[in-house]
Amino acid sequence: GQQLNQSPQSMFIQEGEDVSMNCTSSSIFNTWLWYKQDPGEGPVLLIALYKAGELTSNGRLTAQFGITRKDSFLNISASIPSDVGIYFCAGPNDMRFGAGTRLTVKP
Amino acid sequence: DTAVSQTPKYLVTQMGNDKSIKCEQNLGHDTMYWYKQDSKKFLKIMFSYNNKELIINETVPNRFSPKSPDKAHLNLHINSLELGDSAVYFCASSRRGSIAGANVLTFGAGSRLTVL
Repeated sequence: GQQLNQSPQSMFIQEGEDVSMNCTSSSIFNTWLWYKQDPGEGPVLLIALYKAGELTSNGRLTAQFGITRKDSFLNISASIPSDVGIYFCAGPNDMRFGAGTRLTVKP
Repeated sequence: DTAVSQTPKYLVTQMGNDKSIKCEQNLGHDTMYWYKQDSKKFLKIMFSYNNKELIINETVPNRFSPKSPDKAHLNLHINSLELGDSAVYFCASSRRGSIAGANVLTFGAGSRLTVL
């Protein structure tokens, strides 16, 4: 199956800082999905990307579909305490998720 | 009204017991899944059913048996529980290929299983 490598594994940042994380795949994707898992909850879809080079924003979140179609990036600007959680990337159909990036935001 | 609901939310049991976790979705989706999230928070697909038919069956011990009585339900039965089965189990559903051919999942809140 597809291998998904997500980094960094964890991040500890100060409130107000920007965050960047990425995901790479062993195979070409035609869709990238980013999910967030709040503590004690199931993951929820944040952003879906449909074509190479696409840049999509959702509030303070911006995600990009890499032009090689084997990677994707998620950025969070001006982080706030409620951004705490685990961020997962996923491909279109394989139903596998990256290992997650655990974000801690210190007030 | 909860879209994907799973019960129980917490389950504490002894090794060797048999237990079930139930899942129901009211989204009209045609595909349902079970994931296991371990203590390191890795999310691993276990099973997937599409229109009551098994389509994904990852390397999972035979002690785990999914049952889908209809499209809206996918239950997980676990026999002879072991310590290593302790984890959070997530049910999810999707409409197959719902967005640009991708399966976008809606997850339940999880069922935390602790085996003593």
